[in-house]
Amino acid sequence: QVQLQQWGAGLLKPSETLSLTCAVSGGSFSGYYWSWIRQPPGKGLEWIGEIIQSGSTNYSPSLKSRVTISVDTSNYQFSLKMTSVSAADTGVYYCARGRYFEFWGQGSLVTVSS
Amino acid sequence: DIQMTQSPSSVSASVGDRVTITCRASQDIGTWLAWYQQKPGKAPKLLIYYASGLNTGVPSRFSGSGSGTHFTLTISSLQPEDFATYYCHQTGAFPPFSFGPGTKVDVK
Repeated sequence: QVQLQQWGAGLLKPSETLSLTCAVSGGSFSGYYWSWIRQPPGKGLEWIGEIIQSGSTNYSPSLKSRVTISVDTSNYQFSLKMTSVSAADTGVYYCARGRYFEFWGQGSLVTVSS
Repeated sequence: DIQMTQSPSSVSASVGDRVTITCRASQDIGTWLAWYQQKPGKAPKLLIYYASGLNTGVPSRFSGSGSGTHFTLTISSLQPEDFATYYCHQTGAFPPFSFGPGTKVDVK
């Protein structure tokens, strides 16, 4: 069974950099897109971006200037970095497999507060 | 960007009811649409892909239809475990792969 386990800092100050990592186990790493999605408290889902094993990425235009997604194929992991965070970036961040997100990480609550 | 809308935003229903949720895309996305179910504090769960494909393990009371700009998710006979929020999600044109705002199904 495919499992995604994610981790990263949960409390940030404004202007700091958000950093999350997602480790994949139980299935193939190659041939899939690997995505990050977020959800502000009480609100809907927002797609952040995706990466494939080759390192090719696609980002949401609204976040592209602040977001970098990278991949570590040797460890079956991919990561999200988001710079210059503000309170508007507070929410639960999920990693997921594919473009139809069949498998998800458990979610990471990120709170941005001074 | 493709904008996704859903209606209704919420629906109150009883166990056994037939529930239909509509999703509309601002541009033609073919059948590049998925539906997700999310319960509080949990990650979303993929129900339907390619507009009408039933994901593995999803009960057959869930069905999806549509193409182009108009899509529906139908729950044929609502069960207690189906009270949740449902999101549509397009992958027909990117970036971004946009989600609908969600439809909450709660107890009447």
